[in-house]
Amino acid sequence: QVQLLQSGAEVKKPGASVKVSCKASGYTFTSYHMHWVRQAPGQGLEWMGIINPNDGGTGYAQKFKGRVTMTRDTSTSTGYMELRSLRSEDTAVYYCARVEWQSFHIWGQGTLVTVSS
Amino acid sequence: SYELTQPPSVSVSPGQTCSITCSGDKLGERYAAWYQQKPGQSPVVVIYQGHKRPSGIPERFSGSNSGNTATLTISGTQAMDEADYYCQAWDSSNVVFGGGTKLTVL
Repeated sequence: QVQLLQSGAEVKKPGASVKVSCKASGYTFTSYHMHWVRQAPGQGLEWMGIINPNDGGTGYAQKFKGRVTMTRDTSTSTGYMELRSLRSEDTAVYYCARVEWQSFHIWGQGTLVTVSS
Repeated sequence: SYELTQPPSVSVSPGQTCSITCSGDKLGERYAAWYQQKPGQSPVVVIYQGHKRPSGIPERFSGSNSGNTATLTISGTQAMDEADYYCQAWDSSNVVFGGGTKLTVL
């Protein structure tokens, strides 16, 4: 079945970087854009950006430009999201998601990133 | 930047109909989607393109989108529908989510 499987929880210190992976299965990886969405504890959903797995083209929310990089590896059907210069406010669950008909129909299970000294 | 506004909370009695609204400038001219999220789980799309229901979503979930408001309606609300609900739309090439509505079934 169609599935997005994310990497495990991370604990990072302020100023560090984190790279979360999202492995796609059950469909042609290059046929659907992959998005990243995060959710801070007790808060709502926040869109971070998009990557086109076919050509690697990206688009980032203004808030994250300069601090986030989304990449992909078509040989393993895996997308990656790297966030740099982490601060405590970046503590959140990070989701990858696949878009169809302008909405998110497939979500990963989420990756908790904790930023703490 | 584009904003979507939802009420923070809505309460409904079991078996009754509830509506959750999402307001944004000319939202009716965009495709709106709705997501249900239960504690500790990933969001699930319940309505897309304003009114379409994905396979596996119960018929009691319906959506409409006109003017500046998209509405998610749950008919015959069940205890299992208690969750957070988020609306979502596109603004140019960016995705926007509403702040979320906590639905309480009591």
